[in-house]
Amino acid sequence: DGGITQSPKYLFRKEGQNVTLSCEQNLNHDAMYWYRQDPGQGLRLIYYSQIVNDFQKGDIAEGYSVSREKKESFPLTVTSAQKNPTAFYLCASSKGQGSSNQPQHFGDGTRLSIL
Amino acid sequence: GQQLNQSPQSMFIQEGEDVSMNCTSSSIFNTWLWYKQDPGEGPVLLIALYKAGELTSNGRLTAQFGITRKDSFLNISASIPSDVGIYFCAGREGAQKLVFGQGTRLTINP
Repeated sequence: DGGITQSPKYLFRKEGQNVTLSCEQNLNHDAMYWYRQDPGQGLRLIYYSQIVNDFQKGDIAEGYSVSREKKESFPLTVTSAQKNPTAFYLCASSKGQGSSNQPQHFGDGTRLSIL
Repeated sequence: GQQLNQSPQSMFIQEGEDVSMNCTSSSIFNTWLWYKQDPGEGPVLLIALYKAGELTSNGRLTAQFGITRKDSFLNISASIPSDVGIYFCAGREGAQKLVFGQGTRLTINP
């Protein structure tokens, strides 16, 4: 099936630990995105990438890092510098790049909690 | 970052009723999208709008791109239990990133 796969579904982090969330897509989409969702709130953009080996900060990039070494993969690392990491993390992808207005399609999310 | 004003924040309705929700922005958008999110899952695209005044349907769902390009609404007719969830609008200004509304939580009493 074509789609966006996020793993794991649930993730627990200890204080001071870095964790990496996986996002893979087989839709041949150029652009990929990471969002954070807190209870009762909308989605806030962490990082996005419009093409392989390139990415830009979103609205809340502090404490996070990403890489885009392959078109189909866009992993997100939540570093120990992120003091409030408990949230639902959503990965998305879309066709095209630049000014393309193609809609974004989402994975099923990873819920990160602090132990 | 910029956010859209989505209303209402929540709705409690009886099964079979029609539903209406809307989003407004201070900026002019060239794209409006409507998504539905079930608990513990990612948002699913319902309708995409690309032209001012455009009216698009998807089954019992109808959405319109406001003529001023600063607003959009979503209507659901004859609601059923599986319509329960959170509905998000999202808009794009030019080549900028998508901006999301804060969601409308829909609850249906059978």
